[in-house]
Amino acid sequence: DIVMTQSPDSLAVSLGERATITCKSSQSVLYSSNNKNYIAWYQQKPGQPPKLLLYWPSTRESGVPDRFSGSGSGTDFTLTISSLQPEDVAVYYCQQYYTTPLTFGGGTKVEIK
Amino acid sequence: QVQLVQSGAEVKRPGSSVKVSCKASGGTFSNYAISWVRQAPGQGLEWVGGLMPLFGSATYAQKFQGRVTITADESTSTSYMEMSSLGSEDTALYFCAGYTGSWRLDHWGQGTLVTVSS
Repeated sequence: DIVMTQSPDSLAVSLGERATITCKSSQSVLYSSNNKNYIAWYQQKPGQPPKLLLYWPSTRESGVPDRFSGSGSGTDFTLTISSLQPEDVAVYYCQQYYTTPLTFGGGTKVEIK
Repeated sequence: QVQLVQSGAEVKRPGSSVKVSCKASGGTFSNYAISWVRQAPGQGLEWVGGLMPLFGSATYAQKFQGRVTITADESTSTSYMEMSSLGSEDTALYFCAGYTGSWRLDHWGQGTLVTVSS
């Protein structure tokens, strides 16, 4: 199984400041035939299902604000919130969809400092 | 836009089974890859297994192999997840999720709370 390791576990950032979350996979999730990384990022707020934010991993899902961005390739990936807003308080998960079993990072809780 | 609507909350005794449904609307169900993901109270996300109706057979996380059965009824665009030999550790919110032709999880159901208690 591909193990996804996220860090940090939690993060407190001032409003308007940058938040950065990293995700490392235990093996490459880059599919050579299409040069795509099979990584997605999700946001989950209390009492709600996760919401897809980014995939491939820098393509924003429709309606996701452009303060959310993703980068990385191979085994190392980053989610950045460029200017934290109150509505961004949530838990964020990375996930690989390169192969089954699908696996998730442990989650990063983002709070306001 | 695909919508996934799940069945209601369940309370089960240890050792029993539960079957949760997930009805899809707004897309071509046969092309859809449906996953079942669970979340224990206060914990992260755990993939249970999934099914692409077009290819028929389901695939499961090793942890659930032999105890979970995921099926799909294309005539009603509904997927089912049945889990047997329930224990207290199976108390969780169970989500269905999926996307067309890929294991990405673009669309999510609202979740079904399964509580296992004596």
